[in-house]
Amino acid sequence: DAGVTQSPTHLIKTRGQHVTLRCSPISGHKSVSWYQQVLGQGPQFIFQYYEKEERGRGNFPDRFSARQFPNYSSELNVNALLLGDSALYLCASSLYGVTNVLTFGAGSRLTVL
Amino acid sequence: AQSVTQPDIHITVSEGASLELRCNYSYGATPYLFWYVQSPGQGLQLLLKYFSGDTLVQGIKGFEAEFKRSQSSFNLRKPSVHWSDAAEYFCAVGGSQGNLIFGKGTKLSVKP
Repeated sequence: DAGVTQSPTHLIKTRGQHVTLRCSPISGHKSVSWYQQVLGQGPQFIFQYYEKEERGRGNFPDRFSARQFPNYSSELNVNALLLGDSALYLCASSLYGVTNVLTFGAGSRLTVL
Repeated sequence: AQSVTQPDIHITVSEGASLELRCNYSYGATPYLFWYVQSPGQGLQLLLKYFSGDTLVQGIKGFEAEFKRSQSSFNLRKPSVHWSDAAEYFCAVGGSQGNLIFGKGTKLSVKP
């Protein structure tokens, strides 16, 4: 069975640009979450989506946005990139209602120059 | 506010030796607690979780963890470490939004 898949795996952007990261959840999982992991730190919660609706949001600026599609896949968008946005972006899926039990993808490594 | 503290940034143990990684949490109610492992360039893999019941939890790869409410701790243990256990380990507590709140992680190195 396929796990959580993310694309692209690596990408390089310059300051001020926009980036879109994509995530496909495990089959049967209807909830998708996004986390940012800066080097040397633990992952930080950005968003949770279920049935195309935002169900939770972490402490991130409005430059960060996300959406979930009818097939439960998701996109994370970041506008006006800053150097500090360089990080590993992790997507996780879960069965909604199974509290906090998340399965993570391998992540998208974003470098902002 | 909910938080997780992992006091040890980096630990080195010899192969075959026992291991204990420390985790302290701050949470008002009975917490949901997790340990994840992350190998270089990889995502996070769930080792074990605690929701309720028996305070000693068994996980994958021979790991176990013990929930101690009086000490607000959830330490991870393994009786005999293998070289393949070298990785970064994250303790997490379940947040109110269905999210996870992670500690900063402990990097484990294994000496041959």
